[in-house]
Amino acid sequence: GAGVSQTPSNKVTEKGKYVELRCDPISGHTALYWYRQSLGQGPEFLIYFQGTGAADDSGLPNDRFFAVRPEGSVSTLKIQRTERGDSAVYLCASSLDRQRGTQYFGPGTRLLVL
Amino acid sequence: AQKITQTQPGMFVQEKEAVTLDCTYDTSDQSYGLFWYKQPSSGEMIFLIYQGSYDEQNATEGRYSLNFQKARKSANLVISASQLGDSAMYFCAMREGPWGNKLVFGAGTILRVKS
Repeated sequence: GAGVSQTPSNKVTEKGKYVELRCDPISGHTALYWYRQSLGQGPEFLIYFQGTGAADDSGLPNDRFFAVRPEGSVSTLKIQRTERGDSAVYLCASSLDRQRGTQYFGPGTRLLVL
Repeated sequence: AQKITQTQPGMFVQEKEAVTLDCTYDTSDQSYGLFWYKQPSSGEMIFLIYQGSYDEQNATEGRYSLNFQKARKSANLVISASQLGDSAMYFCAMREGPWGNKLVFGAGTILRVKS
């Protein structure tokens, strides 16, 4: 079956602009996660959705970052007034098995803020 | 304090040999899960293996096995019969609590398989 998909695969923007990153989880997966991976580091948790609601947004770095999942499937991560430090790979994951919590990741969106 | 520590920034292994990638973790929870992911140069995170804190047997998935030593808080990944395609970055991660959601990742170990 289809895995997690993310669009765009690459995004170049200018400092101060607004960007949206999209994630389409594996069909039937109710849990969805966003992570950010800076160069040479492991992914860092941003936000977790169970269904339509953000169950844990403790990883969002500041109020410029916001994410939605209005119908419990596709999610959009929104970044306002982008800064050069926002440049990273943004990874989305989804999971079905709540006991193990195995998360399956998408290919990521590489964001470059000039 | 680091939750997940991977002390080997890089490792080399000869093709067809076995290699162990180290991972130690820190948690006060009794229930937790440990995961290993592979990240090739393409960037996608590929799930390899899972070990639950209450699992008595070490997890195995094909050529991957997890050497789980609970008292030492270590969860080392063993790759047997290395292949050139195993060259990648490997991340150890932990989910805390019985219904924990987020994964906490280590810094990763880059593995290079030599022919």
